[in-house]
Amino acid sequence: QVQLQESGPGLVKPSGTLSLTCTVSGASIRRGTWWTWVRQAPGKGLEWIGEMYHNGNSNFNPSLRSRVTISVDKSKNQFSLDLTSVTAADTAIYYCAGAGWYALDFWGQGTLVTVSS
Amino acid sequence: DIVLTQSPGTLSLSPGERATLSCRTSQSVRNTYLAWYQHKPGQAPRLLIYGASSRATGIPDRFSGSGSGTDFTLTISRLEPEDFAVYYCQQYDGSPVMYTFGPGTKLEIK
Repeated sequence: QVQLQESGPGLVKPSGTLSLTCTVSGASIRRGTWWTWVRQAPGKGLEWIGEMYHNGNSNFNPSLRSRVTISVDKSKNQFSLDLTSVTAADTAIYYCAGAGWYALDFWGQGTLVTVSS
Repeated sequence: DIVLTQSPGTLSLSPGERATLSCRTSQSVRNTYLAWYQHKPGQAPRLLIYGASSRATGIPDRFSGSGSGTDFTLTISRLEPEDFAVYYCQQYDGSPVMYTFGPGTKLEIK
């Protein structure tokens, strides 16, 4: 059974960079899965941020593309999210997930990141 | 961009009743690209249905998905206490790649 766990700072200052890591257990990050980040702002719905395959191919939400980097660390079986120039609008629960057949098959529990000075 | 609309926003039912949740898309969507999720507070969202009608691994058969084109439905045949949650539909677009979620339907105990 694949399990995902997000980790990273819960508080980021405005204009700073939000950095999160997702640790994959129960499966290799080299499997045929698109490693994905999704967020949910308070009182809002789910928003897809982007995805990366283990070979480095990636896709991003056009609304966030200019600020987002996703990377995969095969040696640690982890993938990461960097979101630059954050504002209060980036305050959200951030989920990592794995996408298979055009859907997100498995998810982490999520981690709340607050942007505040 | 394809916009997803879910109705009703809130559905109040009792355990044992049948729940019918609707998802409409602003453009026709291939069945392959439509999924449903269950989300409870403080928990990871759970994939229920993919390809519009295929149950994900471990999902009870009281959950079923149907529909095509722009109109899709998630049906829960007999509600169990653990089914009360928020349900999201999601569509995948391949050109360019984009996942879009609906606003959700909150299924609450009456």
